[in-house]
Amino acid sequence: NAGVTQTPKFQVLKTGQSMTLQCAQDMNHEYMSWYRQDPGMGLRLIHYSVGAGITDQGEVPNGYNVSRSTTEDFPLRLLSAAPSQTSVYFCASTPGLAADTQYFGPGTRLTVL
Amino acid sequence: SQQGEEDPQALSIQEGENATMNCSYKTSINNLQWYRQNSGRGLVHLILIRSNEREKHSGRLRVTLDTSKKSSSLLITASRAADTASYFCAIDNYGQNFVFGPGTRLSVLP
Repeated sequence: NAGVTQTPKFQVLKTGQSMTLQCAQDMNHEYMSWYRQDPGMGLRLIHYSVGAGITDQGEVPNGYNVSRSTTEDFPLRLLSAAPSQTSVYFCASTPGLAADTQYFGPGTRLTVL
Repeated sequence: SQQGEEDPQALSIQEGENATMNCSYKTSINNLQWYRQNSGRGLVHLILIRSNEREKHSGRLRVTLDTSKKSSSLLITASRAADTASYFCAIDNYGQNFVFGPGTRLSVLP
């Protein structure tokens, strides 16, 4: 199993541009989530999904959209990038809400100029 | 906020010493998890302790949970240079997600 994969690893955007961060998992996990990690802070939840077709907002959802058309994929869209969205983005999955652990992808380092 | 708060923010020790870091939280929890993050990498799950447990071990890791004080501690014994990383606690508060603290940066010096 590849686990949780994220692409791209690095991305530089200009203010106002849009892009999609890709996340995929091959473990048939129902629950997937997106976090952002800023210096000196823990991970903050952006959006999550408890299954295909179901998404919900986390702590910091503004400026981001998600969809979950399949169990495997959970893309994160930046609608109009802003410098405040410069961060490292992590995707994670877990078998279900009561599962013991989250499995994290390697992260995408995004810089918005 | 239910965010876990790790303490200390940074810790520097010599190889072979023990490292202890703490996590405090505010309301009732279902379980508490500890994760490690090496520089530039994703988080890796270390250990989970449930609200009805007081202590768990995994190799050189020992985790305790005191629900009356709303705190947990992670002890790494006989530390190695490879233990250098950031360590995060994550709170499962019966909600639909986990809440992470800001982390403790551990440096193990050879």
